[in-house]
Parts: sequence; structure tokens; C-alpha cells
Amino acid sequence: DVKVTQSSRYLVKRTGEKVFLECVQDMDHENMFWYRQDPGLGLRLIYFSYDVKMKEKGDIPEGYSVSREKKERFSLILESASTNQTSMYLCASSSRGMELFFGEGSRLTVL
Amino acid sequence: AQSVTQPDIHITVSEGASLELRCNYSYGATPYLFWYVQSPGQGLQLLLKYFSGDTLVQGIKGFEAEFKRSQSSFNLRKPSVHWSDAAEYFCAVADRTYKYIFGTGTRLKVLA
Repeated sequence: DVKVTQSSRYLVKRTGEKVFLECVQDMDHENMFWYRQDPGLGLRLIYFSYDVKMKEKGDIPEGYSVSREKKERFSLILESASTNQTSMYLCASSSRGMELFFGEGSRLTVL
Repeated sequence: AQSVTQPDIHITVSEGASLELRCNYSYGATPYLFWYVQSPGQGLQLLLKYFSGDTLVQGIKGFEAEFKRSQSSFNLRKPSVHWSDAAEYFCAVADRTYKYIFGTGTRLKVLA
């Protein structure tokens, strides 16, 4: 069974803290993605990666960075969390030309 | 620019009734098209996909969708809804670089 695992289902952080969201996939997929999901806005792409050490900005990269040191792991970093980054974060992976496989999501609250 | 429109934010149907969720897209060529379902507190699960060929595609859980090029639509259908189908449904389009664009979702409520 394919598996995308996000390290934390729920996090509560304070404004200004550095936040790491980890995502691991066990399908040897080339592509990995981080989305943000907010009510009424659907899924918005933050960053994606087509290969190790490679990253591309999505539609809303401001305030975020990513790291992909190994093929199976894609991390999302909030350098200085702000309240407007309170959201559900979804990691996904895919092989070329195939559908996305999603993790269960990480719900982040920034106080 | 690519876009996906799901005109219905909420839909309520009775259990056993038929269902159609609308999806319209904007794309210059034939895109890859997908429907995903999200249960509360969960990630998204693929229901079905269209890449090419037969324009009527079958998916899991008894769902189907029809690609209509002339209408730029990819509507999702189910002949008889079950209470467990209550969830949020997302239509998505992907281009040849595999960048995906999602609609804003349709939340389905099922009445017993």
C-alpha cells in the first residue's frame, strides 16, 4: 500500500517560532508537493520538488521554505510563524504522469 | 492561465438519490483531470482520473465522471448516494509538467 506520512497531525506554535513539517513517502516517487488548504480557497501549492535537492516555488511561497535532501523526504519550514499561517498543510507525492498521493495533513495553529 | 471551477460550494442530497457534482476547467489543450474526495480530518483520496481515451471513466466507490471537451467539463456522478459519501470533493487539472490546479471543493451532505 502506498504511504505518505506527515510527522505531526496537530501542532500549536507561537508567533515567531520556527516550524518544521516533515513528510516521508515510501513509493520512490520523484515528485513531492506541499499544499495549504483553507476553507473556501481549496488547495494552494506552496512548493514542489521534482528531484533531490531541487525545489520550485508554487503559488504562495512567501513565508515558507523547503528542503529535500533525500528522495523520500520533503520538509516544509516556516522560518518565523505568523498567525496567518494557521492552516491545514497537506503533503503529496507522485510519479511522473500519475496522480497525487496525499498524507493525512498537519493542522497548524499559530497563536 | 489554467483554472478549475466548482460552482457548488455545498450540496445536500437524500440517501439513495442520484448525485452530480460540477467541474469546469480552463486549459489550452486536453488536460489530465482528476476527482479527489476528502473525509473530515483526512488527506485527499483519488476517486478517478482521465488522461485520454474513453470520455466516461469509472472510479472507486461507484463514482463515474464524463469528460466533455465542448463544455470544458468533467462532472462527477453517482446513481445512488450512501451516507458514507458525505465528504468534500475536489476536482483538479494537471498540465504536462504535472503541476496540479485544484478547485475550491464541494461539500456533500447526505440526509438519512
